[in-house]
Amino acid sequence: GAVVSQHPSWVICKSGTSVKIECRSLDFQATTMFWYRQFPKQSLMLMATSNEGSKATYEQGVEKDKFLINHASLTLSTLTVTSAHPEDSSFYICSARRIRAGQGITKNIQYFGAGTRLSVL
Amino acid sequence: DQQVKQNSPSLSVQEGRISILNCDYTNSMFDYFLWYKKYPAEGPTFLISISSIKDKNEDGRFTVFLNKSAKHLSLHIVPSQPGDSAVYFCAASRGTYKYIFGTGTRLKVLA
Repeated sequence: GAVVSQHPSWVICKSGTSVKIECRSLDFQATTMFWYRQFPKQSLMLMATSNEGSKATYEQGVEKDKFLINHASLTLSTLTVTSAHPEDSSFYICSARRIRAGQGITKNIQYFGAGTRLSVL
Repeated sequence: DQQVKQNSPSLSVQEGRISILNCDYTNSMFDYFLWYKKYPAEGPTFLISISSIKDKNEDGRFTVFLNKSAKHLSLHIVPSQPGDSAVYFCAASRGTYKYIFGTGTRLKVLA
C-alpha cells in the first residue's frame, strides 16, 4: 500500500498558541488530501478536503479560520490549529487520495497517516 | 443522517473461526466501498475494497460481499487471528467524492 507520513504524532501546547500538523504522501502524488478528527470511541469526522493549488473545502460546522489548511505541493498538506483551546484537544488524522482506473472500475482509495494527538492545556 | 451504519459496536470471535462484520448504507448512489482496520492512536489501514459492479472481492483471508438490493456489505475474515483484534470501519463513496464512514465495530479475537 501507499505510504502517508503525518508529523508530529503527539503535541502538547498552551491555550492560545497555534499548532501545525504536516501530512506527506511519500510514494505518490496526491492532488487531494483530507483532514479528519476523531473523538474517543467515535467514528472519523471529516473536517475538510485539501486541494493542491486551491482553497480547501470545509465541512459544515468546521471553522475555516480556526483550522487553516495549505496544500502547496502534490505531496504535502498542512493543518494549522490557530489559537488552540482545550476543546480542540483531539486526534487528528490526514489521508491522501489515490485514484486508479482500469477494467471499468475506478478505485478511489485514501491512505491514512498515523494521526496526531493534540493536547491543549 | 447516518448514511453508513455499523450496527454492531463490538464482536468477539474465537481464534481460527470466521469473523463477519456488517455494514448497511442508505444512499443508492454510492458505488465504491472500503474496509479499514484501526488500532488505537493510529491511522486507519486500508484492507479491501469493492466496486458496485461486483458482488464479491477476495484478498487472502479477507473477503468483502456486496448486496446492492439490500444496501448491505460485509467483511469476512477467515481464519481469524488475535492480531486481527482492532476497530473496523466501513466506508462508502460516490465516484471520487469524499468517504462516508460507519461508526466502527470493535473486533476481539480470543486466543
